[in-house]
Amino acid sequence: AQKITQTQPGMFVQEKEAVTLDCTYDTSDQSYGLFWYKQPSSGEMIFLIYQGSYDEQNATEGRYSLNFQKARKSANLVISASQLGDSAMYFCAMSVWRAGNQFYFGTGTSLTVIP
Amino acid sequence: KAGVTQTPRYLIKTRGQQVTLSCSPISGHRSVSWYQQTPGQGLQFLFEYFSETQRNKGNFPGRFSGRQFSNSRSEMNVSTLELGDSALYLCASSPTGGPSNYGYTFGSGTRLTVV
Repeated sequence: AQKITQTQPGMFVQEKEAVTLDCTYDTSDQSYGLFWYKQPSSGEMIFLIYQGSYDEQNATEGRYSLNFQKARKSANLVISASQLGDSAMYFCAMSVWRAGNQFYFGTGTSLTVIP
Repeated sequence: KAGVTQTPRYLIKTRGQQVTLSCSPISGHRSVSWYQQTPGQGLQFLFEYFSETQRNKGNFPGRFSGRQFSNSRSEMNVSTLELGDSALYLCASSPTGGPSNYGYTFGSGTRLTVV
């Protein structure tokens, strides 16, 4: 069975500081992808970053980086230089290749950026 | 480039009624997936369609059904609505038959309230 765990229901960060959102996953499959999505109050899920299970380098997309530790089965999201607009729900998700286009989502972390 | 369009954005229905939600994927995308998001259960996979065929189905009762048309537009139907069906229903489209590093593109969702 596939499972995503996010243990931080809520996080606060000072504007311009960096913050790490935790994500651990469980799967017996060797081929999978890990994703982070941002969901503002409007409801739309916004794709942030992706890491494939065979990627040796940690993914980076602008201010977002993914700290991928395969042996620990963790895929933490690091947001550098936080901005007020980063306040939102953040979801970690996993897709297993053999299962087609199906995401398994974590419960999310609510991030609040403080001015 | 137009994004994923979900209609309607908001819907109020009475218990026992049925409802149809629509999703127009990004042009050229052949895979459409549906998710239900509730405060209690989080984000749960409903089903995925690829080239008009249901390829994957989540653990939902038969009251939840869907279909995909030849132009890749998809509809989901919920019959005999229950109060617990109140949720944000998200649609996501993907260009390929499997997960990619571009992830899905989600729509803004349809917020269904059952009274």
